[in-house]
Amino acid sequence: SQTIHQWPATLVQPVGSPLSLECTVEGTSNPNLYWYRQAAGRGLQLLFYSVGIGQISSEVPQNLSASRPQDRQFILSSKKLLLSDSGFYLCAWSVRGTGSKNIQYFGAGTRLSVL
Amino acid sequence: GEDVEQSLFLSVREGDSSVINCTYTDSSSTYLYWYKQEPGAGLQLLTYIFSNMDMKQDQRLTVLLNKKDKHLSLRIADTQTGDSAIYFCAESENTNAGKSTFGDGTTLTVKP
Repeated sequence: SQTIHQWPATLVQPVGSPLSLECTVEGTSNPNLYWYRQAAGRGLQLLFYSVGIGQISSEVPQNLSASRPQDRQFILSSKKLLLSDSGFYLCAWSVRGTGSKNIQYFGAGTRLSVL
Repeated sequence: GEDVEQSLFLSVREGDSSVINCTYTDSSSTYLYWYKQEPGAGLQLLTYIFSNMDMKQDQRLTVLLNKKDKHLSLRIADTQTGDSAIYFCAESENTNAGKSTFGDGTTLTVKP
């Protein structure tokens, strides 16, 4: 069966420090991968998505970047965190292809507090 | 772009039925979904409906789709305290990237 891992679960970082959040998927190949941010009491904002190794699409201009060095690994990074980067970050995957149901499977999330 | 709207809060008594409503704008959506998020956790798929269906029932869950009005609803029968969570409506584009657009979520509170 497929599983998705996200870590760390909680992170407290000072303003101006770097960030690296990692997400890995097991039990599937060639998944679509997604990074979302959820501000407190709000919906999901799609930050990045990837349809393959090294292929990253950004949905919103921001202080963050994403990379996909391996098929089932998706990394969210920042060189210098801002206060506004605080939030709940969710990684998700889906089966690639127009014939799939595009169901998204989510990790447990990382709670990031920038102080 | 695509937009998904849903009311933010719903409160019901245990044992009552809950109905959560959603409207969407993308008429080309192939699938529409309901996801559930418990506190501090990721989202989990509850159910989905194919765009050529009007209704789907899965145990206590009933999904109704009105394509003409672009309206989707989720009915939970015999609502339990364990159903308290945030419920997200979502639609997806039928492309290789399979991006989904999510509503802001409806917080369901079930009172004993």
